[in-house]
Amino acid sequence: AQKVTQAQTEISVVEKEDVTLDCVYETRDTTYYLFWYKQPPSGELVFLIRRNSFDEQNEISGRYSWNFQKSTSSFNFTITASQVVDSAVYFCALLPLGGGGNKLTFGTGTQLKVEL
Amino acid sequence: SAVISQKPSRDICQRGTSLTIQCQVDSQVTMMFWYRQQPGQSLTLIATANQGSEATYESGFVIDKFPISRPNLTFSTLTVSNLSPEDSSIYLCSVEEVGRPLSGNTIYFGEGSWLTVV
Repeated sequence: AQKVTQAQTEISVVEKEDVTLDCVYETRDTTYYLFWYKQPPSGELVFLIRRNSFDEQNEISGRYSWNFQKSTSSFNFTITASQVVDSAVYFCALLPLGGGGNKLTFGTGTQLKVEL
Repeated sequence: SAVISQKPSRDICQRGTSLTIQCQVDSQVTMMFWYRQQPGQSLTLIATANQGSEATYESGFVIDKFPISRPNLTFSTLTVSNLSPEDSSIYLCSVEEVGRPLSGNTIYFGEGSWLTVV
C-alpha cells in the first residue's frame, strides 16, 4: 500500500519569508513518481513538478525548489521569498509504477497562508 | 501539457436529482480519472474511465451512484446520481500524459466542478 504524509496541516508566514513544506512517502515499489500540486482557493489543481524515483537531483524553478531524498523517503518543497499569491493548499502525491494501476495517492495537503 | 476543460464549473442542485459533469481534453489520452474532494479534505479517486468499456471503480464507489461514460479518447462524463448533501464536493477530472522514455508520465487535472447539494 502507498502512503503520503504531509504532517503540516497549516503554515502561516509573512511575505518574503522562506517556507518549506514537508512530504514523506511510503511505497514498496522501486519505481515511482512524486508530484507536487497547488490548489488555490478557486479549486483547480495546478501541476508544479514531477520527480522520478531514479532521479535524485534537486530542482529549482524560480522561487520554488524541491529536495528529493530517497534515503529518508522525503520530497520537500521550499518557496523562497514567499508572496501572497503563494497562498494555497499544496498537495504531495505518489504514483507507483508497479501493480498499482497508475493511481495517485495524495497527502492530506498543507494550507499555506502568506500574509503581508 | 494537456489542457482539460470541465463543465459545469459550479452548480447547486436539489437533493434527489443528478448532475452530469463533462471533461474534455485537447489531446487523445489513454488514461482518464475522476476524483472527489470533499470540503477541507484531500482527493479521493472515484474511478478510472476506460475508453470503450466500463469504468473501473475504487472501493466505496459504485456505478449506480457514479455512472461514467468514455465514448472516445478526449472526452468523459461523470454523473452523480440521487444527490444528497454528502455529495457536496469538488469533482475533478484528470488525465495521464505519457512522457518521453525515462522522462515519465505526468497527471494533469481539470479546473474542478464545485457541487453543492441543498
